[in-house]
Amino acid sequence: EVVLTQSPATLSLSPGETATLSCRASQSVNRYLAWYQQKPGQAPRFLIYDTSVRAAGTPARFSGSGSGTDFTLTISSLEPEDFAVYYCQQRIRWPPGGLTFGGGTKVEIK
Amino acid sequence: EVQLVESGGGLVQPGGSLRLSCAASGITLSQFWMTWVRQAPEKGLEWVANIKQDGHETYYLDSVKGRFTISRDNAKNSIYLQMNSLRGDDTAVYYCCLWGGGALDHWGQGTRVTVSS
Repeated sequence: EVVLTQSPATLSLSPGETATLSCRASQSVNRYLAWYQQKPGQAPRFLIYDTSVRAAGTPARFSGSGSGTDFTLTISSLEPEDFAVYYCQQRIRWPPGGLTFGGGTKVEIK
Repeated sequence: EVQLVESGGGLVQPGGSLRLSCAASGITLSQFWMTWVRQAPEKGLEWVANIKQDGHETYYLDSVKGRFTISRDNAKNSIYLQMNSLRGDDTAVYYCCLWGGGALDHWGQGTRVTVSS
């Protein structure tokens, strides 16, 4: 099983600052890494797939990078609506191996 | 607009059963792999099961194998999750999700399952 470790667990920032979120895989997942955003009481929302491809409707201030085992989600110039929990997810063994998610990073208002 | 609407959650005793349903609108589910993902209270996301377009391939999280069954009825544009022998650690919000090829493109609002005596 591929384990995804996200860091930091919590990121305290002010609107307008840049958030850098890390996701590390226990083994290579090539570029098969996606990111989701979840706000309290809501279902997760798909942001990015295959490391860097933004979903329709994902603002350009969200960007993804990395490959192999180390990945980054960068949110440039945080907007008030960006404060949420972010999860990474890998699909290297999809479909029989299912999916695994990281533990999440909470981006909170400082 | 794509909508996935789950139903069937509730309170059940340990060892009991529940059947979750997910009905879609605005999209034809028969074209897509579908997935159930769960989230325990105050915890992260956990993939549970997935099912191929024709229903002939299904895969499960190890901890639910033999207890949960994912199925679909493309004529009804719906998928299901039959959950038997429920345990306390199955307590979670269960989300129905559509696999778009690279990620879980669409999520339902979730249905809450609580396993407790």
